[in-house]
Amino acid sequence: EAGVAQSPRYKIIEKRQSVAFWCNPISGHATLYWYQQILGQGPKLLIQFQNNGVVDDSQLPKDRFSAERLKGVDSTLKIQPAKLEDSAVYLCASSLEPWGRGSPLHFGNGTRLTVT
Amino acid sequence: AQSVAQPEDQVNVAEGNPLTVKCTYSVSGNPYLFWYVQYPNRGLQFLLKYITGDNLVKGSYGFEAEFNKSQTSFHLKKPSALVSDSALYFCASMNTGFQKLVFGTGTRLLVSP
Repeated sequence: EAGVAQSPRYKIIEKRQSVAFWCNPISGHATLYWYQQILGQGPKLLIQFQNNGVVDDSQLPKDRFSAERLKGVDSTLKIQPAKLEDSAVYLCASSLEPWGRGSPLHFGNGTRLTVT
Repeated sequence: AQSVAQPEDQVNVAEGNPLTVKCTYSVSGNPYLFWYVQYPNRGLQFLLKYITGDNLVKGSYGFEAEFNKSQTSFHLKKPSALVSDSALYFCASMNTGFQKLVFGTGTRLLVSP
């Protein structure tokens, strides 16, 4: 099966600019996640969708970050305006089963964002 | 709140020797536990998981992990390390509700020839 697709792979922007990342999960996967991985740290969950509804966005900096999953398939994550501390790898993941089953997450290769 | 700790930033082992990467967890209720591996400039790859049943879980590439409820640990092991096993390893826990996966800080494994 095709894996989780993310684009772009790399992005360099100046602070205060905006940027958007795109994710296409594995076909049929109900749950989609966006994680932020800062260099030297473990991934941190930003937002979790169940189909096209938000399940958890408690760690999403909502003053600058937004995400949507229209039609319950593809998703976009946007940062506006970007700050230097947003430099990180943004990972998208999907899982087959909704909850309670311990279904493993499948990750894309990520988008490496550098804010200068 | 659920959390995962990986006490070692780096583990060094010689090729052919057994390896262990340590992980302890704090999760209310019955834990779902995972190990992922990350190679440079790549996403995370699933290695294995513990849901229930046997405490020794076998996964991809010859890796296994031992769940120990009394010590709240889930250490990753491999009987004979390969140079190609060198990578960043993450332990993670999942609650039984909304499938939120929480990661540890990662352990870099370096296998020398």
